[in-house]
Amino acid sequence: NAGVTQTPKFQVLKTGQSMTLQCAQDMNHEYMSWYRQDPGMGLRLIHYSVGAGITDQGEVPNGYNVSRSTTEDFPLRLLSAAPSQTSVYFCASSYPSGRADNEQFFGPGTRLTVL
Amino acid sequence: AQSVTQLGSHVSVSEGALVLLRCNYSSSVPPYLFWYVQYPNQGLQLLLKYTSAATLVKGINGFEAEFKKSETSFHLTKPSAHMSDAAEYFCAVSERGYSTLTFGKGTMLLVSP
Repeated sequence: NAGVTQTPKFQVLKTGQSMTLQCAQDMNHEYMSWYRQDPGMGLRLIHYSVGAGITDQGEVPNGYNVSRSTTEDFPLRLLSAAPSQTSVYFCASSYPSGRADNEQFFGPGTRLTVL
Repeated sequence: AQSVTQLGSHVSVSEGALVLLRCNYSSSVPPYLFWYVQYPNQGLQLLLKYTSAATLVKGINGFEAEFKKSETSFHLTKPSAHMSDAAEYFCAVSERGYSTLTFGKGTMLLVSP
């Protein structure tokens, strides 16, 4: 199993550009989430999904869109990049709460710089 | 809403000394608790987790943590620090019924020879 994979590993954007961060998992997990990591802030939840076709906002959703058309994939879209979105982005997946202990499986991260 | 507080953004120890990283949480019910480690320019690695089976939890690399409900704490310890333990450590909480995590702001562990 590849686990949770993320592409690209690094990306540089100009202000106003759009892009999609890809996330895929092959563990048949129903839950998937996106977090961003900023120095001194820990990781903060952007959006999450409890299954195909169902998404919800986390703590810092502004400027980001998500969709979940399949169990395996959970892309994160930046519609108009801003310097404040410079961060490291982590995707995670897990079993539904109640089936397991809420352990999240994390991808390797995408380092995004917005100029 | 649940929250996690990690006391000390930086902790410095000498090699061979005790490591103690503090974590306090707020939650209306006993949650699931996790410690993750992040080495420079790498992703997150799970050190250990508390899921109510036992209050003293042993993890990888000689780390352990004790869940104390009365103190709402889940401090991470290691008896003897190694240079290779230098990294950033994150405490995280997840409420039962939710499969997302709330993280603390992290503690950078510095180990000197």
